[in-house]
Amino acid sequence: RKEVEQDPGPFNVPEGATVAFNCTYSNSASQSFFWYRQDCRKEPKLLMSVYSSGNEDGRFTAQLNRASQYISLLIRDSKLSDSATYLCVVNEGLGAGNNRKLIWGLGTSLAVNP
Amino acid sequence: SQTIHQWPATLVQPVGSPLSLECTVEGTSNPNLYWYRQAAGRGLQLLFYSVGIGQISSEVPQNLSASRPQDRQFILSSKKLLLSDSGFYLCAWSAGRSNTEAFFGQGTRLTVV
Repeated sequence: RKEVEQDPGPFNVPEGATVAFNCTYSNSASQSFFWYRQDCRKEPKLLMSVYSSGNEDGRFTAQLNRASQYISLLIRDSKLSDSATYLCVVNEGLGAGNNRKLIWGLGTSLAVNP
Repeated sequence: SQTIHQWPATLVQPVGSPLSLECTVEGTSNPNLYWYRQAAGRGLQLLFYSVGIGQISSEVPQNLSASRPQDRQFILSSKKLLLSDSGFYLCAWSAGRSNTEAFFGQGTRLTVV
């Protein structure tokens, strides 16, 4: 089983649609979780951190389910500019100096169509 | 605010030539620094990380090396490039404490011909 798994997609949705991505992780001791966005041929950029209680940032909502070991990202009212690859990231690090334990999913591709 | 600079953005090098990619971070002290590679259609692979000057850890055996001569400078090198070294190389930094996110430079697209 891969450490972090994502459905690669692609997800093709019309503008205004709501789309949800899931990501599962294998290490139950994982400490923190993130969603990144990567545009074609660009660097990944942090979209949002994922907190235990769930968090929302505008049209984006992230949820964490520790019992089932999955993270989700919900995008409401999709825009053309949301088209990108969304990367799920899990930090297994414990204590200072262990930041290297960022485990990256392969990403889910989203295409929002007019 | 913190910024990370990586250069060059694009590089075409012949097989057997040396490589030097440089990354610098501004606006923070004692960051953790990382070199990643992303091959076409594949995920991010961690190559090296550093928690301080002169401290380098290698994640995978390969044809590359890394150095950290200054607190906010991270260099990726090779003495002789292979075709398989082609890829998208990304430098990243994170704060020097646990459970924090990483921030990336613009990346260097390396093609070895």
